[in-house]
This record gives sequence, structure tokens and C-alpha cells, in this order.
Amino acid sequence: KAGVTQTPRYLIKTRGQQVTLSCSPISGHRSVSWYQQTPGQGLQFLFEYFSETQRNKGNFPGRFSGRQFSNSRSEMNVSTLELGDSALYLCASTVTSGDYEQYFGPGTRLTVT
Amino acid sequence: GEDVEQSLFLSVREGDSSVINCTYTDSSSTYLYWYKQEPGAGLQLLTYIFSNMDMKQDQRLTVLLNKKDKHLSLRIADTQTGDSAIYFCAESIKDSSYKLIFGSGTRLLVRP
Repeated sequence: KAGVTQTPRYLIKTRGQQVTLSCSPISGHRSVSWYQQTPGQGLQFLFEYFSETQRNKGNFPGRFSGRQFSNSRSEMNVSTLELGDSALYLCASTVTSGDYEQYFGPGTRLTVT
Repeated sequence: GEDVEQSLFLSVREGDSSVINCTYTDSSSTYLYWYKQEPGAGLQLLTYIFSNMDMKQDQRLTVLLNKKDKHLSLRIADTQTGDSAIYFCAESIKDSSYKLIFGSGTRLLVRP
């Protein structure tokens, strides 16, 4: 069974631009969560989607948004990029919301210049 | 509050046992996890333990949970150079749904 896939793997953007990252969960998994990893703040929860609905949101500004499609694939969008948004963005999938086995993808490395 | 703490660095000799420690603060956590991250990679789920268990063993890995002290440890037996990585402890917190709260990670260096 294929794992969680994320595209693109690497991205370079300029301040003020916006970016969309994609995550395809493991087949049969319906819940997708997003995390941001930075050297300074570590791993922080962004949001979780289940059945196309946002179930939970972390403490991030409104510039960070996401959605989930009927096939469980998820996208996250960051608008008006700031230098501090440079990070590794990881998504994780589980069979259902609250399932204990969360499997992570390889991440998208975003660099904002 | 939600806080998970780990020591930053551990160095061991190949073949020895490694013990990585973690403390957490939220008593409502349901599951506690250990993830491994190698350079340039995502997080690999190593093992997890339900909060009402004391111990879980999985091949070379042993997880011990002291719920009274909110202390979690991961013991890796016969540590190999391929075990060199960053190890993250995490707890599962339920508010409107479930989310993981991660520690800052422990960098394990295995010396030949």
C-alpha cells in the first residue's frame, strides 16, 4: 500500500506570494492533518480535515487555510507569504478522525525569500 | 497546559542500549507516541502506547510510561548506526478533535 504523498517536495517562493501544497493520504484513510516544522518552533499542528470538514485548527493566522476533497486528498494554502513561513510542512493521515495511528508524508520544504 | 519536553542530545556506542526520555503535562492525553526523523525525511511512526498501559515492547523497542510522573521513555536495545536520527515524543490531545503535541526532539548519535 502506498504511503502518504506530498507534492511538491521543494518550493521556493517570494515574500507576498501565495502557495498551495498538496497531500494524498494512504488509500482508505479519510482524515488528514497538517503540521509545520521549523527549527525555532518545532512541530506545530495546523489543522485537521475529515470528510471534507475542518475538525480542528491550530494557533496560526488566517493566512493559513486548507481544504479536503471528496477523495480525501487535501490542500493547504498560505497567502501573503512571510519569511517566517519557511518550514517543512508535513501532512499525516489516519483512517478516521481520532484514530491513533498517524502516518506522515515526506513533507514539502518551503523556502520564502 | 500542553507541553512535551525532551532532552536535546544523546550519544551512545554501537551495540549499547539507548534510553530517550520525555515528560508531558496534559493528563487528558490518550496515546503517547515515538516518531523517528532522519535527515531530509518525514516522521516515521515507531511505536505508541495507550495512556492506561505501563509498558509496551516491540522488537528492539521498549516504551515505559509512568502516568503518575507523566514520564515516557523509549529504550532501543542493541543500538545500530542506522538508529542515528531525531526522535520525537508526542501526545495525542483531544479538543475539538485529536491533535498531536510534539516535543522538541532528541538527536541520537550512535558512535561506531
